[in-house]
Amino acid sequence: DAGITQSPRHKVTETGTPVTLRCHQTENHRYMYWYRQDPGHGLRLIHYSYGVKDTDKGEVSDGYSVSRSKTEDFLLTLESATSSQTSVYFCAISKQGTGVEQPQHFGDGTRLSIL
Amino acid sequence: DQQVKQNSPSLSVQEGRISILNCDYTNSMFDYFLWYKKYPAEGPTFLISISSIKDKNEDGRFTVFLNKSAKHLSLHIVPSQPGDSAVYFCAASARDWGKLQFGAGTQVVVTP
Repeated sequence: DAGITQSPRHKVTETGTPVTLRCHQTENHRYMYWYRQDPGHGLRLIHYSYGVKDTDKGEVSDGYSVSRSKTEDFLLTLESATSSQTSVYFCAISKQGTGVEQPQHFGDGTRLSIL
Repeated sequence: DQQVKQNSPSLSVQEGRISILNCDYTNSMFDYFLWYKKYPAEGPTFLISISSIKDKNEDGRFTVFLNKSAKHLSLHIVPSQPGDSAVYFCAASARDWGKLQFGAGTQVVVTP
């Protein structure tokens, strides 16, 4: 299994509070991704990173920011959480992002509930 | 605008029989397709993939078929086993794009 650790695994918080989710990898992969999974939508890309300090938006990036100060850590921040951000969040990694055919490997997810 | 569609939210199959999962896509730029399997409270696990230069890829009990003209792919599981009960996601990507688009998933239940 790919060495991906997400923390926390579960979190309950209130609307308007800031929330940060962490993804830590031990594979030294260049690419890291944040997805959210919601019923009827599968997994949707929030943000991704193609190197330290290099990030870009995915299809559902509004209300989220990310940071990557080290190869192994990719943080997802909800500056002011809303109930629509209640979801299961998955981190994924891949050695390369473009030009090659290779799968992404996923962590076990963080279940976030915003009341 | 969902570019990858799994129109069957659920599938029930008897143990030992074939499971066939379907996936349609709309973006003709997609050239790499994957299937992931997901158990509850776990992350998706990569199962099998296929490049657009092929029309079939096989790995043990799992075979993926790609029909580019119809923009359709399918996953065959033969024979189905109880441990195959999970949600299966179809995903697609374009080589130069690098990002995955996922379908909504199909819940497979294998009954004894």
